[in-house]
Amino acid sequence: GQQLNQSPQSMFIQEGEDVSMNCTSSSIFNTWLWYKQDPGEGPVLLIALYKAGELTSNGRLTAQFGITRKDSFLNISASIPSDVGIYFCAGPDYNQGGKLIFGQGTELSVKP
Amino acid sequence: ETGVTQSPTHLIKTRGQQVTLRCSSQSGHNTVSWYQQALGQGPQFIFQYYREEENGRGNFPPRFSGLQFPNYSSELNVNALELDDSALYLCASSLGDSPYEQYFGPGTRLTVT
Repeated sequence: GQQLNQSPQSMFIQEGEDVSMNCTSSSIFNTWLWYKQDPGEGPVLLIALYKAGELTSNGRLTAQFGITRKDSFLNISASIPSDVGIYFCAGPDYNQGGKLIFGQGTELSVKP
Repeated sequence: ETGVTQSPTHLIKTRGQQVTLRCSSQSGHNTVSWYQQALGQGPQFIFQYYREEENGRGNFPPRFSGLQFPNYSSELNVNALELDDSALYLCASSLGDSPYEQYFGPGTRLTVT
């Protein structure tokens, strides 16, 4: 079945640094979504991407829909302590109506 | 704040019991999806309801069942609870024409002992 692989699994960075993480699949996706989850909370939708090559920003966050449609990237510029959390990529499973498939997450820690 | 609410926040049940979890969707959203999230994992799709009908189901046994009501609130019922059912249960609402742009509630933490 379709799977999403995120890397890195975890990151420890200094406040003010830029962050890059990615998500890859062996299958083609027509939609990519990026979520952030804080401990004990539900995932929050950050960015949705619908077109290959698309670059979309949300404040300090920028996400790209890979040209091959098999990958997506999320960048965070000038990180701050509240960026701490787990970032998930997600994409639709077209074989099961409405289902989102999630990656295993990238855990971000920011040192003040 | 997504406008999606869930109750209760936490719940402790005994193996073999039944549980009902509740979700109130974001205003205007006619589609609700339920997910199970084990510790350290991404959410796993249980099922989705659109206009009160099941619209897709993941690899969960029939003892996981759901309902969606005309006001778009919904329930997840789990019968014959097992220890492995301990997890965070998330509901997410979306519009029918954008079913994959899903907005999650805070979740219900279920512990089965």
